[in-house]
Amino acid sequence: GENVGLHLPTLSVQEGDNSIINCAYSNSASDYFIWYKQESGKGPQFIIDIRSNMDKRQGQRVTVLLNKTVKHLSLQIAATQPGDSAVYFCAENQPGANNLFFGTGTRLTVIP
Amino acid sequence: GAVVSQHPSRVICKSGTSVKIECRSLDFQATTMFWYRQFPKQSLMLMATSNEGSKATYEQGVEKDKFLINHASLTLSTLTVTSAHPEDSSFYICSAPVSGTEFYEQYFGPGTRLTVT
Repeated sequence: GENVGLHLPTLSVQEGDNSIINCAYSNSASDYFIWYKQESGKGPQFIIDIRSNMDKRQGQRVTVLLNKTVKHLSLQIAATQPGDSAVYFCAENQPGANNLFFGTGTRLTVIP
Repeated sequence: GAVVSQHPSRVICKSGTSVKIECRSLDFQATTMFWYRQFPKQSLMLMATSNEGSKATYEQGVEKDKFLINHASLTLSTLTVTSAHPEDSSFYICSAPVSGTEFYEQYFGPGTRLTVT
C-alpha cells in the first residue's frame, strides 16, 4: 500500500559487516517482490527479486529472504561497503494490479 | 540493460506556471510507462500509468487535469504539471517495462527534481 508521511527508518553498519534490511509487505496474495536501491537524487535501481514460490534467493553479495507466514521480506548484504549507502525499498506485485507497491524504505549508512 | 532517461533532471519554476517533464526509453519500446512522485524521506507513490495510444490511468487522489500525461510514442511519455504550486515540489520518477515483458520488470529513470517557488 501507500506510504503516508513516515520518516525513513535508518540502519548504520560498519564497513565489512553484514547488513539486514527488513520489509513488511501488505498483501498476503502478492506473488512477486523486488528490492531496489536508491542513491540520493537518483531513480531506483533493481537489486534482486523473488517469487512467492521461493523463500530464499541469492545474488552477488545479496540475499533475499521471504517469509510468507508473517508477510516479511529481508535483504541481506554481505561485507557491506561504503558504496552500499543508499535507501533501500521493497516492492510487491499484488494480484490484479498492474503496478508495483513500494514499502517505506530504509536508509543504510555504512561507516568506513 | 534497458535505459530510461528523464529531462530535465532539475527544474525551478514560479507558482502558477506549467512544467513539462519527459520520460524516454532509449533502447527499447514501452507501451506503458509509470509516473511516480517521491517527497523527501518518503517512498515512491504511483501517480498514473501512461499508455501509448490511449488515455492515462490515474491513481486515486491524483488530479488528471493538473498532471497531464501524454504518451506520444513508444519511447516517449510526458508529464505536464499545470499551474504549479509550491506543494507540487517533489521528485518525479518515471519507469517503463520493456514491451512484451511483465509490467513489474520496470526500468526507472533518474528522476526530475521540481521546485516551485
